[in-house]
Amino acid sequence: GENVEQHPSTLSVQEGDSAVIKCTYSDSASNYFPWYKQELGKGPQLIIDIRSNVGEKKDQRIAVTLNKTAKHFSLHITETQPEDSAVYFCAAHAGKSTFGDGTTLTVKP
Amino acid sequence: GAGVSQSPRYKVAKRGQDVALRCDPISGHVSLFWYQQALGQGPEFLTYFQNEAQLDKSGLPSDRFFAERPEGSVSTLKIQRTQQEDSAVYLCASSLFGQASETGELFFGEGSRLTVL
Repeated sequence: GENVEQHPSTLSVQEGDSAVIKCTYSDSASNYFPWYKQELGKGPQLIIDIRSNVGEKKDQRIAVTLNKTAKHFSLHITETQPEDSAVYFCAAHAGKSTFGDGTTLTVKP
Repeated sequence: GAGVSQSPRYKVAKRGQDVALRCDPISGHVSLFWYQQALGQGPEFLTYFQNEAQLDKSGLPSDRFFAERPEGSVSTLKIQRTQQEDSAVYLCASSLFGQASETGELFFGEGSRLTVL
């Protein structure tokens, strides 16, 4: 089955700095790569996604890149704000989504 | 409401008790997933329904776990003879399209936190 590894497990940045989270996957059948943000006591919420036929996608301060050959994808958050503090999960989807173990992002004001 | 609704939000059970967790997906969503999330970890797949058909139950950890979606909308996850290792947050998610679609966006509920004493 699919295996998704996510790094780092914790990330602390100053407000205004950029944050990068990286994931690798194992199943070449995966064709959809979403990123979710989870706040305390809530379910994960989709923030951005990318499909296998696209290498990069941007939505305001958030961007994702995908390298299918290397089987890795990354989340980039620019101009971080305190409200970006949360746990972020990557996932690889081949009929069902397999999640990484999450990155706890802390943005210090 | 318009989102995925789960109940109860919190459940404390004594070891050996049976529990039932309910999920009301977004109306019209074809796919429904159950995930288990242990503290500090990512959601782990349990089972998947397309309408009323349970197409994948490969993630259910033992035969004590059972899920159903009899009319293709509300789903129930049942855990029999609960054990301490069952303590986790159980997340339900729904998706508009079926499994074969590349559109895999999941809409999650807030989860049911199960604590087994």
